[in-house]
Amino acid sequence: GAGVSQSPRYKVAKRGQDVALRCDPISGHVSLFWYQQALGQGPEFLTYFQNEAQLDKSGLPSDRFFAERPEGSVSTLKIQRTQQEDSAVYLCASSSGRQGDTEAFFGQGTRLTVV
Amino acid sequence: QKEVEQNSGPLSVPEGAIASLNCTYSDRVSQSFFWYRQYSGKSPELIMSIYSNGDKEDGRFTAQLNKASQYVSLLIRDSQPSDSATYLCAVNKGYSSASKIIFGSGTRLSIRP
Repeated sequence: GAGVSQSPRYKVAKRGQDVALRCDPISGHVSLFWYQQALGQGPEFLTYFQNEAQLDKSGLPSDRFFAERPEGSVSTLKIQRTQQEDSAVYLCASSSGRQGDTEAFFGQGTRLTVV
Repeated sequence: QKEVEQNSGPLSVPEGAIASLNCTYSDRVSQSFFWYRQYSGKSPELIMSIYSNGDKEDGRFTAQLNKASQYVSLLIRDSQPSDSATYLCAVNKGYSSASKIIFGSGTRLSIRP
């Protein structure tokens, strides 16, 4: 596609509910990133994929957070048993992964509100 | 110490003047440096990337990198009200391919008419 696409754009979840956030990267992009952004803060790194391999998940805040990219394209970020502190904008970015090209481009984000 | 540090602002600059935004980073092995612009309620938009020491110019924007001082800056010439946004500095340790990209908390820039 022309850009990174995320869905849904907005999600309201009741505390304890499981949610799944989808990211469709730019076509052909090898690298995919997930970030969490709280109001007034910069994006906080969650996890990074190169193709289907999850190379870094050091930013996932708890074992309730899980990400996958089974075919090396679309990725899903899953949050189990959501808590109020999970309320944030979840941003996905992709990068070509080509030699010397490390620029990453963001989708529009999913705003998650846990009530 | 945060890996990427920025002054949160707000930085207020008169229209037509030069806005100067600064960023420091802690990891000397960092190879790639980026400036993103983020309007309120929108996602970050890449405006500049820089990989080598010195200046890189693109229109009204100039990025400056000093690896010895671990310092990156962004200059915006002839500032316009539409430049009012939060500017995020980001750092990537990888060169051959993207690895973890770390962001600063952003500097809010306000251009006053």
